Amino acid sequence: GQNIDQPTEMTATEGAIVQINCTYQTSGFNGLFWYQQHAGEAPTFLSYNVLDGLEEKGRFSSFLSRSKGYSYLLLKELQMKDSASYLCAVRDSNYQLIWGAGTKLIIKP
Amino acid sequence: GAVVSQHPSRVICKSGTSVKIECRSLDFQATTMFWYRQFPKKSLMLMATSNEGSKATYEQGVEKDKFLINHASLTLSTLTVTSAHPEDSSFYICSAITGGASGANVLTFGAGSRLTVL
Repeated sequence: GQNIDQPTEMTATEGAIVQINCTYQTSGFNGLFWYQQHAGEAPTFLSYNVLDGLEEKGRFSSFLSRSKGYSYLLLKELQMKDSASYLCAVRDSNYQLIWGAGTKLIIKP
Repeated sequence: GAVVSQHPSRVICKSGTSVKIECRSLDFQATTMFWYRQFPKKSLMLMATSNEGSKATYEQGVEKDKFLINHASLTLSTLTVTSAHPEDSSFYICSAITGGASGANVLTFGAGSRLTVL
């Protein structure tokens, strides 16, 4: 079966750095996405990785290793507004999106 | 940027009634839209793919007669929950592909509709 694993919850301090990991086992791979979802709201797109390596976008960076079936989302200079759930999703060989359950990130002052 | 508008954001209905949720693409055309359902602390569950001018494609285990999908135009898809029951209470979210670099085919989501069936 297809599976996306990410931690259920993480806690970090305002101003610090946090890394949210995602491992996947899917039938094929056609890209990995990270979305941010605030409570009660719809997800919003953060990043897309299809090749190995690091993609940097402001305070957020996303890394991919296809051989290891692994990605992480790195958030720097954490702000209170970064408190949200972060969803990892992989597009498989049929171009279907497989979603992780999300990681709830709690930011403390 | 591209916006997907979803309405209503919250709806409360009595058991046995039907509820319609609308999803509109603003300033762009969407031949395909996706309807998701999300339970608390769970991942997004794809219910169906809505195709303009043709029948929707439902995922395994999703009742076609229960969740009616109509994609009447290039900017509007509707989800009707028929004869709603308390177990249908959930967060329903629509989305459309709005492009992105390197063939990313990024999904843009509507704001979601919180359905509560009493």
